[in-house]
Order: sequence, then C-alpha cells, then structure tokens
Amino acid sequence: EAGVAQSPRYKIIEKRQSVAFWCNPISGHATLYWYQQILGQGPKLLIQFQNNGVVDDSQLPKDRFSAERLKGVDSTLKIQPAKLEDSAVYLCASSQYRGRTEAFFGQGTRLTVV
Amino acid sequence: QQPVQSPQAVILREGEDAVINCSSSKALYSVHWYRQKHGEAPVFLMILLKGGEQMRHEKISASFNEKKQQSSLYLTASQLSYSGTYFCGTRIQGAQKLVFGQGTRLTINP
Repeated sequence: EAGVAQSPRYKIIEKRQSVAFWCNPISGHATLYWYQQILGQGPKLLIQFQNNGVVDDSQLPKDRFSAERLKGVDSTLKIQPAKLEDSAVYLCASSQYRGRTEAFFGQGTRLTVV
Repeated sequence: QQPVQSPQAVILREGEDAVINCSSSKALYSVHWYRQKHGEAPVFLMILLKGGEQMRHEKISASFNEKKQQSSLYLTASQLSYSGTYFCGTRIQGAQKLVFGQGTRLTINP
C-alpha cells in the first residue's frame, strides 16, 4: 500500500515570497490533515479536511495561509507572503473516516525562510 | 485542547523501563501514540479508543483511563531502537480534529 506522498521535500525561499506544498493521501482515506512542526515542538494542526470540506482550520493564519482539497483527494497548502517564523516542517497526514482512524504521515516538506 | 505530556524528557539505559503520560482537560474519544526519530515523520504505534482495551506494540503497551482523561505509554525492557520523541494525539468527544502534545524525548543509552 502506497503511503502519503508529499512534495517538495525541501524548500528555501526569501521572506515575502510565496510557496506551495502538495500532498497525495493514502487511497481511500477521506480525512486529510496539514500540520506545522517547528523544531523541538509537537505537530500543530493547521487544517483538517473531510473529503473536500473543512473540518477545522481554527489555527490556520488565514491572512497568509490557504489550503484546498479539490475532488477530495490531493491537497495543496500555500503560504503568501512567507515570514521568517514560517520556517518549519509541514506534515501532511491522512486517515480513514470511520473505524480505525489512526493518521499516517508523509515525509514532510522542510521550509526555510531567509 | 492540546494534551499535556510528561515527562518532557527521559534518559534510560538499555533494558530499563519507562512510562510516558498524556493528559487532557476534555473528555477524550481516542488517544493515538506516535514515535518520531530525528529528521523523520511520526510513525504510528497504537490507538486507544474510549471503552477499548489496553493495546500493545512489540514491548510497548498503553492504557487509557477514561475517568482521568489520561493515557500512559509503557516501554518495557527498552531497546536502543526505542530512542526518539513520543507524541500523543487526542480526539475529544464530539470533535473530529486530532491534536498533538508537545512530545517526550526518550534517549536510550547502551
């Protein structure tokens, strides 16, 4: 079974530039999560989708971050404009909606804003 | 809603035991345990559901105390491969989002 795919693995941008991350969840997983993990901290939930609807985006900085999940499969997370404090690993995860709902993570995208 | 983990860090010798706790101020539906090694993604260990049984993964087991809204992860006869940061993730009753604690760093020395 293929895992959660993310790209790119690494990205370096200057502050005020824009960046986009892509995620392809495990086939059949209706729930998709985007987490931000700053070095030394736990993953912080940015947004959670159920199919292509948003379940929670209470911690998403909506003035600069946006995310979409078209057709309930792939998802993109965008930052525009980036700030220095956005430097982090962005993790995508997916899970089934019913039954066992453990989340499986992709390898993440390490973003460095300079 | 973020769960609180304790301790923040543990240092053991190979073969020793450890307990990591995860507490919530809200009524929980499920608790998820993950291990993350440096530079890698979190890896799922086990899930505990409200009303469910104690779970086990190799020599690692976990329990869920519904009265205290607390879960404990037990690492028995620790191996070098157990080193990493352990995170608990929680879903509260009536909500779907999965929120993680700040992590417990476990170091196993030979």
